[in-house]
Amino acid sequence: GAVVSQHPSWVICKSGTSVKIECRSLDFQATTMFWYRQFPKQSLMLMATSNEGSKATYEQGVEKDKFLINHASLTLSTLTVTSAHPEDSSFYICSASFGSPPYEQFFGPGTRLTVL
Amino acid sequence: AQSVAQPEDQVNVAEGNPLTVKCTYSVSGNPYLFWYVQYPNRGLQFLLKYITGDNLVKGSYGFEAEFNKSQTSFHLKKPSALVSDSALYFCAVTYSGSARQLTFGSGTQLTVLP
Repeated sequence: GAVVSQHPSWVICKSGTSVKIECRSLDFQATTMFWYRQFPKQSLMLMATSNEGSKATYEQGVEKDKFLINHASLTLSTLTVTSAHPEDSSFYICSASFGSPPYEQFFGPGTRLTVL
Repeated sequence: AQSVAQPEDQVNVAEGNPLTVKCTYSVSGNPYLFWYVQYPNRGLQFLLKYITGDNLVKGSYGFEAEFNKSQTSFHLKKPSALVSDSALYFCAVTYSGSARQLTFGSGTQLTVLP
């Protein structure tokens, strides 16, 4: 149980285009979803926290207009990288949690974004 | 506030030998501690967690961790390392009363030498 999927697993796009990444909880309803960014051989950096039906809470330094997060249902959250540039190339990982403390997070397999 | 420290960027161990990956934490309330493993270009796989109860926690793939409240540590251990254990390991913490957010350590690259 508690499976989270991400789509696509990898994407290559041209500079200036927008890319949407989907995160789905397959067998549970996720009250909260998280988006992380990870650079090679580094730790996960939390970008934003989203609760179903409300606006995402972005971490300091993360541009909300560049990284659009939508959590439209209890099983789906999307991250859209708008007007992507090469410096946005990274590994993006989502996670989902539900229920009562300790609110364990279940992680997706990640999406590798390469912007040319 | 919460923080996690993994003091070793790299741990090398010979196959068959015991391994330890260190983690210390700081939280405002009762800690909830997690270990995850990451293989190249993959997401995080859950290994084990400490919420409450027995200080020695057993998890997946023969890994275990010991919660030490006085030393604020949660070191990951395995009695006999396998080459396939080579990966990036993350310790993470949240706590009772937090807003669900996990704080991750910087990660430790474990290399098991054949």
